[in-house]
Amino acid sequence: DIQMTQSPSTLSASVGDRVTITCRASQSITAWLAWYQQKPGKAPKLLIYKVSALESGVPSRFSGSGSGSGTEFTLTISSLQPDDSAIYYCQQYSTHLYTFGQGTKLEIK
Amino acid sequence: EVQLVESGGGLVQPGGSLRLSCAASGFTFSTYDMHWVRQRIGKGLEWVSAIGAAGDTYYPVSVKGRFTISRENAKNSLFLEMNNVRVGDTAVYYCARDRGYPIGGLDVWGQGTTVTVSS
Repeated sequence: DIQMTQSPSTLSASVGDRVTITCRASQSITAWLAWYQQKPGKAPKLLIYKVSALESGVPSRFSGSGSGSGTEFTLTISSLQPDDSAIYYCQQYSTHLYTFGQGTKLEIK
Repeated sequence: EVQLVESGGGLVQPGGSLRLSCAASGFTFSTYDMHWVRQRIGKGLEWVSAIGAAGDTYYPVSVKGRFTISRENAKNSLFLEMNNVRVGDTAVYYCARDRGYPIGGLDVWGQGTTVTVSS
């Protein structure tokens, strides 16, 4: 199975900061990567698909990118807002056996 | 409104069985791949199973041979049959819609149903 590793596990930042979360795949997943946001007691919400495509309705301060190797990806929040406090997960769908990263908890200082 | 609503969760003893259901509405259910994803309390998301629009099924090693995903397109319903359950299967179970190739991403999720495995 493809393993997905996120870093950091927790992140504390201030409103207005630029925040970056990294996700690494154990093997190339080409561009089959999504990012989700989950708030307490709620279902996950799709933010980004195919590495960098912004889901409809998601604020443009969210963006995704990849290194080109097919194994390293980043989620960036350009200007952190209070509503962005949540846990963020990456997920690969390169094979039929989907896997998620372990999550990054983002806290607002 | 596009919606998924899970049901069927509850308390089950180790070694027992449980059947989860997911009712879909607001979209053409039969044309989408569908998934179950679970989340243990305080833990991350874990993919549990998938079923393609054509009925092909997929499972991770952790549940293969114990869980069975199925669908009934005429009733816009997705199911997860859980057999020989373990304490470690205790979690909130979500069903989710997959937009499939060439886009991908699980874009619609239910609210979740809680399964507790305990004696």
